[in-house]
Amino acid sequence: TQLLEQSPQFLSIQEGENLTVYCNSSSVFSSLQWYRQEPGEGPVLLVTVVTGGEVKKLKRLTFQFGDARKDSSLHITAAQPGDTGLYLCAGPPYNQGGKLIFGQGTELSVKP
Amino acid sequence: GAVVSQHPSRVICKSGTSVKIECRSLDFQATTMFWYRQFPKQSLMLMATSNEGSKATYEQGVEKDKFLINHASLTLSTLTVTSAHPEDSSFYICSAKTPGGTDTQYFGPGTRLTVL
Repeated sequence: TQLLEQSPQFLSIQEGENLTVYCNSSSVFSSLQWYRQEPGEGPVLLVTVVTGGEVKKLKRLTFQFGDARKDSSLHITAAQPGDTGLYLCAGPPYNQGGKLIFGQGTELSVKP
Repeated sequence: GAVVSQHPSRVICKSGTSVKIECRSLDFQATTMFWYRQFPKQSLMLMATSNEGSKATYEQGVEKDKFLINHASLTLSTLTVTSAHPEDSSFYICSAKTPGGTDTQYFGPGTRLTVL
């Protein structure tokens, strides 16, 4: 079974702190996506990483794809209450018809 | 671009009735759409892959006769929950892949189903 292990599953921090969310697998992924979801809404795409070692930045968010394309991380600098939400990593394993496997999700709460 | 809509956003029905949920790609054609189910505080669970013009592919453990999927056009897929029971209450989300061979999926806003 190909799995994406996401950690931590819950994170409660103060405004201004930094944090990192990890997404790991023993399998190779052709790409990895990061989504953010708010209660009662669908996931919203933040970024897609495709190349091993790739780093993408989206304002205070930095995404990295591992060299071997088996892991990824999301780093948030100076978190704000508006960053609160469920963060999901997802990826299509090789030769699986493009369907996505999701990590367990990270519930982030940023307190003012 | 890459906007996906779902209708209805919320539905309450009586046990034993059927409920249809629509998923539309608004500004692109989607040959493949996906249906997910999500329980509170949990991640998304893929139910089935919907292919335009052919039968859906269901994940292990998902009853195809209970969750009927129809992908009649390049912009519309429907999920019908037949003979709904309270345990079918959940948040159902669809997604669509944009043309061009990328693996990125764009998600609809979800449908909250409550079966009384």
